[in-house]
Amino acid sequence: EADIYQTPRYLVIGTGKKITLECSQTMGHDKMYWYQQDPGMELHLIHYSYGVNSTEKGDLSSESTVSRIRTEHFPLTLESARPSHTSQYLCASSVFLGADPFETPLHFGNGTRLTVT
Amino acid sequence: SQQGEEDPQALSIQEGENATMNCSYKTSINNLQWYRQNSGRGLVHLILIRSNEREKHSGRLRVTLDTSKKSSSLLITASRAADTASYFCATDDDSGTYKYIFGTGTRLKVLA
Repeated sequence: EADIYQTPRYLVIGTGKKITLECSQTMGHDKMYWYQQDPGMELHLIHYSYGVNSTEKGDLSSESTVSRIRTEHFPLTLESARPSHTSQYLCASSVFLGADPFETPLHFGNGTRLTVT
Repeated sequence: SQQGEEDPQALSIQEGENATMNCSYKTSINNLQWYRQNSGRGLVHLILIRSNEREKHSGRLRVTLDTSKKSSSLLITASRAADTASYFCATDDDSGTYKYIFGTGTRLKVLA
């Protein structure tokens, strides 16, 4: 398994709370991603980063924000959680080779399962 | 828009049988990857096939790619109960950005 860690593993919070989901990788990968996945369903890209100080929005509209101050760290923040945010959040990373950016696979963490009551 | 769609959505087989799942995509690609996801966990990379390759093997896995039909198949031979998982294909999205687009997944159940 890859060295990418997500915390917490499970989180139950009330509506309106601010939360940060942590993601760290020890592989020195340049690219990092956040995906949202409902149980048994497809993955939706919500944010990604090419490197330090680089962040981009993905295809799924999200009320979350991300930051990339250090290569190894890519936290996801929800300023005001709502029940519609209930889902699994998966963090992934990959190395950038330049010639063919899709030559290398994604390494995933085990996810954070978020429930907003 | 969804790049990849897997077929079937769900598959149930007996241990020892072969499992075949298919992936269709819409745009031209650089390569296609297959991932496995155990329940409640992250995805694990299985195999990558480049756009100029037609077939690739890795252990009990066999992947084919038909770029003219924009489709790929994953064959798992001699399946085991431990193969029970969801399987996803992933491709680049042909937009020039470094985004991987995942298919809808096939949920495989292998009965012991």
